[in-house]
Amino acid sequence: DAKTTQPNSMESNEEEPVHLPCNHSTISGTDYIHWYRQLPSQGPEYVIHGLTSNVNNRMASLAIAEDRKSSTLILHRATLRDAAVYYCIPAGNNAGNMLTFGGGTRLMVKP
Amino acid sequence: DSGVTQTPKHLITATGQRVTLRCSPRSGDLSVYWYQQSLDQGLQFLIQYYNGEERAKGNILERFSAQQFPDLHSELNLSSLELGDSALYFCASSSWGTFYGYTFGSGTRLTVV
Repeated sequence: DAKTTQPNSMESNEEEPVHLPCNHSTISGTDYIHWYRQLPSQGPEYVIHGLTSNVNNRMASLAIAEDRKSSTLILHRATLRDAAVYYCIPAGNNAGNMLTFGGGTRLMVKP
Repeated sequence: DSGVTQTPKHLITATGQRVTLRCSPRSGDLSVYWYQQSLDQGLQFLIQYYNGEERAKGNILERFSAQQFPDLHSELNLSSLELGDSALYFCASSSWGTFYGYTFGSGTRLTVV
């Protein structure tokens, strides 16, 4: 599994954009970059994933570096409900692959 | 409601006992994954089943076992419980590997006293 490095914690103000970085310099060429988040007292939930191109969905945007050694999850307008631990997970797409969670980044959102 | 149902939500038991945690996957999902989350270890992958067969094993202790039944629900059996087994146990399901995403249940909080 590719090793990831994420800040332990970040802080943001409500309604401002948040950029959550992740380094995954040992990612393999076929690994997708998955982002999940875990709200307090809940199971993790899927946020977004991508391979090479930047990706957007209703929750967030994912910007992937050209060399794929890093990526950034972008929350366009943070809300209090976005306070959670965010996990960046490189993972293959075969049936035998699974998600391996690291320490993640704890995002705190201030009103 | 994520579509993945875990029961019970809370469980308190004594050391040395045996418990069974149950997971019903999201409708149509064939894969079930079990994870353990403790304060000092984070989310640890335990085991995966796909359509009734064991597919992958992670850091699962020999005292723990799991199975997936023909109706695709899964059970995680924990025996000879120790204080250190106190944790949140999550079940997740997916239709195929990681690509279509995992859907997690809300977890079972196990307390061993």
